[in-house]
Amino acid sequence: GENVEQHPSTLSVQEGDSAVIKCTYSDSASNYFPWYKQELGKGPQLIIDIRSNVGEKKDQRIAVTLNKTAKHFSLHITETQPEDSAVYFCAARVTSGTYKYIFGTGTRLKVLA
Amino acid sequence: EAQVTQNPRYLITVTGKKLTVTCSQNMNHEYMSWYRQDPGLGLRQIYYSMNVEVTDKGDVPEGYKVSRKEKRNFPLILESPSPNQTSLYFCATVSGANVLTFGAGSRLTVL
Repeated sequence: GENVEQHPSTLSVQEGDSAVIKCTYSDSASNYFPWYKQELGKGPQLIIDIRSNVGEKKDQRIAVTLNKTAKHFSLHITETQPEDSAVYFCAARVTSGTYKYIFGTGTRLKVLA
Repeated sequence: EAQVTQNPRYLITVTGKKLTVTCSQNMNHEYMSWYRQDPGLGLRQIYYSMNVEVTDKGDVPEGYKVSRKEKRNFPLILESPSPNQTSLYFCATVSGANVLTFGAGSRLTVL
């Protein structure tokens, strides 16, 4: 069935370094890939997304890349700050015209000051 | 402010005691959904609703019921809760731009 694999499950980086989280999806018909940040005690919040007709998207220190051929997409955070510490989820919308999302299992990012 | 409001935020109950988790949205969105979050499993969809009186099963619907009598509300009902339903629950809506907006979550413990 549809699946999204996310790695790593935990990631510790020094403040100022970069962090990369990778996801792989199984459904080749997926066309929308959002990333969510979940802080302690809160619901996941959208931080960036990418559609299948785009290879890369950037928003300040955050970027997402998509390789449709390999069915990979990645989140890149540069110049990490302590407030970037959170759990990050990737997701794939299964097919166009629906709102069915398959989520990765999450990455706990710790930025060490 | 666009909001998805869930209640209660925290609940401890016992096996078999019926409970309802409410969800309300102020964005007039047609689509609403319930997810559960468990360690190592990410977010899994329980039920969703495309519009009033239209609901359908997600990936893990067993033990849950929902209703959608009006657009703004989408309650999650556990008729006879069991310990394996101990989890963190999220309600969500989808905007016209396909953006999922989540509530703050409801942590449920079933003893």
